[in-house]
Amino acid sequence: EPEVTQTPSHQVTQMGQEVILRCVPISNHLYFYWYRQILGQKVEFLVSFYNNEISEKSEIFDDQFSVERPDGSNFTLKIRSTKLEDSAMYFCASIRMGPGLEDTEAFFGQGTRLTVV
Amino acid sequence: AQSVTQPDIHITVSEGASLELRCNYSYGATPYLFWYVQSPGQGLQLLLKYFSGDTLVQGIKGFEAEFKRSQSSFNLRKPSVHWSDAAEYFCAVGADTGFQKLVFGTGTRLLVSP
Repeated sequence: EPEVTQTPSHQVTQMGQEVILRCVPISNHLYFYWYRQILGQKVEFLVSFYNNEISEKSEIFDDQFSVERPDGSNFTLKIRSTKLEDSAMYFCASIRMGPGLEDTEAFFGQGTRLTVV
Repeated sequence: AQSVTQPDIHITVSEGASLELRCNYSYGATPYLFWYVQSPGQGLQLLLKYFSGDTLVQGIKGFEAEFKRSQSSFNLRKPSVHWSDAAEYFCAVGADTGFQKLVFGTGTRLLVSP
């Protein structure tokens, strides 16, 4: 079965530094999402991306965050100036759209654990 | 706004025993409900989902879940747990603006004892 691949699996960065989290979604999928999970808290929606633009974003997704799909394959989440509270597990999801709701499914990557020190 | 509550942070079950993981949701209309499992180092894997129809949903790995509208619940069950079921389990509800924009619970970590 096709997989969503995220790199790196773990990233440690200093506060104020920029980080780029990478995701290779499933080919021929058109919808992509980023979620994050702060340790001990819920998995939270960050942003959805369709047709090379953001379709929806949460309050968390402020100006420090950006997403793009620069080469038609990788789907990246960039945090411009990391803060301690950005430490979390970040999940990418690739959505298979079916003819009906029953056929539509989100496929998640294994996550990138970001630690800001 | 939607919300999901998983009241149990940790559950320990003996191998071979039955399992029930609780999930309660808050949603105004007919919900789209999901259960995901995350094994260490793995992504979130879909176990099963409910959109409509039969309220007892069968999933992969021998799991099932029952949607009870009157109780706003979508509990996950398995009749006999295997050691490989040890993982984190997440209940989620599809959001208003897109059913694949998921609102997750905090998760329940399942430990399986010999």
